[in-house]
Amino acid sequence: AQSVTQLDSQVPVFEEAPVELRCNYSSSVSVYLFWYVQYPNQGLQLLLKYLSGSTLVESINGFEAEFNKSQTSFHLRKPSVHISDTAEYFCAVNTAGGFKTIFGAGTRLFVKA
Amino acid sequence: KAGVTQTPRYLIKTRGQQVTLSCSPISGHRSVSWYQQTPGQGLQFLFEYFSETQRNKGNFPGRFSGRQFSNSRSEMNVSTLELGDSALYLCASSLGERYNEQFFGPGTRLTVL
Repeated sequence: AQSVTQLDSQVPVFEEAPVELRCNYSSSVSVYLFWYVQYPNQGLQLLLKYLSGSTLVESINGFEAEFNKSQTSFHLRKPSVHISDTAEYFCAVNTAGGFKTIFGAGTRLFVKA
Repeated sequence: KAGVTQTPRYLIKTRGQQVTLSCSPISGHRSVSWYQQTPGQGLQFLFEYFSETQRNKGNFPGRFSGRQFSNSRSEMNVSTLELGDSALYLCASSLGERYNEQFFGPGTRLTVL
């Protein structure tokens, strides 16, 4: 069965510093991976996704994630964070032929001034 | 285009009662998924409906049930409420095809006393 592990429950970081949020998955079949972001008191929004092709995917607000099949990872990175990036980030994998999404437990990113 | 709406936004119930939550998907979306979000557990998949049929189901007891109407609106019902059912219940809609992005509503915060 597919599963998703987010290795850090909370990540504090100073503004303008780089950050990496780690995500590992387990699956015996082809996977399709997502990162969603949840700002306080809001629902989740898609940040970026990997379906096929280039293993490096980027979002419009400077985040990127790299699909690493050998390490079964899909870590999220940003070279310089802003206060407004403070949110909870969820890694997710599509399963059941693409019709079901399994989410990790989430990583809370705190950006400090 | 209006986003996913969920009603009510907040709900307080006592143990043993039942509750019904409602979700209106984005116009044109035929798939609705329900998730339970609790601190430390992330999002737990409840079930997914597509064209009025339950297509996928998570590992929740039978007290949790749902349905979808012909206009794609969905309801979920929890009977015989327990304290552990206190959570944020999120609804997400999509076109219903493989690997589609999900669009989330703001959630219903259920508190069981």
